[in-house]
Order: sequence, then C-alpha cells, then structure tokens
Amino acid sequence: GAVVSQHPSWVICKSGTSVKIECRSLDFQATTMFWYRQFPKQSLMLMATSNEGSKATYEQGVEKDKFLINHASLTLSTLTVTSAHPEDSSFYICSAGTGHTIYFGEGSWLTVV
Amino acid sequence: LAKTTQPISMDSYEGQEVNITCSHNNIATNDYITWYQQFPSQGPRFIIQGYKTKVTNEVASLFIPADRKSSTLSLPRVSLSDTAVYYCLVGDKADSWGKLQFGAGTQVVVTP
Repeated sequence: GAVVSQHPSWVICKSGTSVKIECRSLDFQATTMFWYRQFPKQSLMLMATSNEGSKATYEQGVEKDKFLINHASLTLSTLTVTSAHPEDSSFYICSAGTGHTIYFGEGSWLTVV
Repeated sequence: LAKTTQPISMDSYEGQEVNITCSHNNIATNDYITWYQQFPSQGPRFIIQGYKTKVTNEVASLFIPADRKSSTLSLPRVSLSDTAVYYCLVGDKADSWGKLQFGAGTQVVVTP
C-alpha cells in the first residue's frame, strides 16, 4: 500500500528553540496532508490541514504562529514547532491520502526540556 | 462527514476470532469505510477498506450490511500482537478525510 513517512521519529529540544518534523508521501502525490497530535491513551486530534502551494488551515485553538506548516511540494509537508515549551511535548502524526484512503506516518515524538 | 461509534474495549484470548462493530448511521452515498490499527507510539496502520458487502484480505475481513449503517471488522485467530487500538473511519475523497474527528477507537486486548 501507499507509504507516508515521517522524520525524525523522535526529537528532544530545549525550551525556546524550534524543531521541524517532515512528512513525505513516498509513492504518491498529495495536494493535502494533515497533522495530528496525540496524547498518551487518547485519540488523534487534528491540528491542521496542509495544502500544497497555499496556506495551511488550522483547527480552532491551534496557534498558527507556533505550529508553522509548509507544504512546498506534492510529496512533502513540514511542521515546525517554534519557541517550543514543555507543554508542546507530544506525539505528532501526519497523514496523506490518495483516492479514497488516507495513510498515516509513523509518528514523531517531541520532548521539550 | 459520518460520525462513528465503536465499543471502547474488547478482550479476547489467543486463537479466537474478534469482531468489532462500528455504527455510522449517517454514512453518505460516496463514503467508504476504512479500519486502522494503532500500536502505542506508532501512527495508525491501514487494515482494510470497503464500500459494501464483504471484503477480505490477508489480515482481516470487513462485513458491511446492505444499509451500510454499520460495519464489522473481523480478526480471525488473534494473537498477542493484535493487541492494539482499532479505529473505524468513514469518508469520501482522501483530501477531505483529515477533517474527520477521530473517535476513541476500540482497545483490543488479547491474552494468552
């Protein structure tokens, strides 16, 4: 099946710094990708929709200036957590779709110390 | 986008068949039904997808009645490695799927 890959799988950063997470669709093109956040033992929560060549659409309550999303090509979307704080520590997941199906990345653990 | 309802949890023993039913009463004509499996600290993994009747692949079967208001994921002869959260999602084109609000999913626990 289709593959969506995230990088890095885990990252530790210091408070106040920025960190970038990449999401790639490896064998298909995706004009739209999605970013989620998941806390332990909870379901996925949609953060934003990444649109190739245009601005991302953020869900209510998600700070667009903190979570910068760039979708520069049909196979790559990036999520940059700016001025990270410990409360931003979480599991971040992306997804991309083709046809009637979406596929998820492996997820990225972010720990802010 | 169709809202889905699943049981919160199910327990099973190794070798048994596990059936998880998902209700999606307001499914639209063009919607497909897709099931995902998620292990801790991993992204959800595609299991199976269907539109109507029955679909079977190497890991599961999906049963969809004629009215399509529900669907049942069947996992034959489960093993310990099938312990995971299973999500049922209903949607049309992939570009719109991200707007789906994930439900809690079904936590399946398989014991020896």
